[in-house]
Amino acid sequence: SYVLTQPPSVSVAPGQTARITCGANNIGIKSVHWYQQKPGQAPVLVVYDDGDRPSGIPERFSGSNSGNTATLTISRAEAGDEADYYCQVWDNSGDQSFVFGTGTKVTVL
Amino acid sequence: QVQLVESGGGVVQPGRSLRLSCAASGFTFSSYGMHWVRQAPGKGLEWVSVISYDGSNKYYVDSVRGRFTVSRDNSKNTLYLQMNSLRAEDTAVYYCAKEGPSGGEFDFWGQGTLVTVSS
Repeated sequence: SYVLTQPPSVSVAPGQTARITCGANNIGIKSVHWYQQKPGQAPVLVVYDDGDRPSGIPERFSGSNSGNTATLTISRAEAGDEADYYCQVWDNSGDQSFVFGTGTKVTVL
Repeated sequence: QVQLVESGGGVVQPGRSLRLSCAASGFTFSSYGMHWVRQAPGKGLEWVSVISYDGSNKYYVDSVRGRFTVSRDNSKNTLYLQMNSLRAEDTAVYYCAKEGPSGGEFDFWGQGTLVTVSS
């Protein structure tokens, strides 16, 4: 099965830039989606199709995907961005399957 | 606005069954695939199952295939997950989620319902 690897934690100072990676073999040929989950809440889609933002998501959230690594970038980090972040892909090779990354805890120091 | 409301969670003994429901509103339910995603306490997200917009196609993660069955009633705007032969490792918050415009993402989620499998 397809495995998506994320760093367990990322720290960022307020106003600075956080980058969260999602690694997998040839992930660049897949569409990658990113979710933010705050404690006790359901996940929220923040980036889809590598770099598009749903309505209502700030421009501070952006994404890229190439080769073996996809990246979610949070610019001008705010205290409210502190959360768990998960990448996700649709693995439609063979049986349909949807895979989540291992998750990254972002701390805004 | 899109709303997804799960229900049916609770405490159940190993080997027993439980049926979850997800009531949808605010969009044309019959036009979208729907998913179940779970999250064990303190753990990450795990996709469980998907059903196509018309119910004709269903897929499952290996760990639940043969024990869980996803279904939908488009006349009632409701998604279901029948869970049989429950195991301790099925303990989790279960979320229903709507398929996004591109087909591969989940653009709206419910608040989740907790299933605890314990004797």
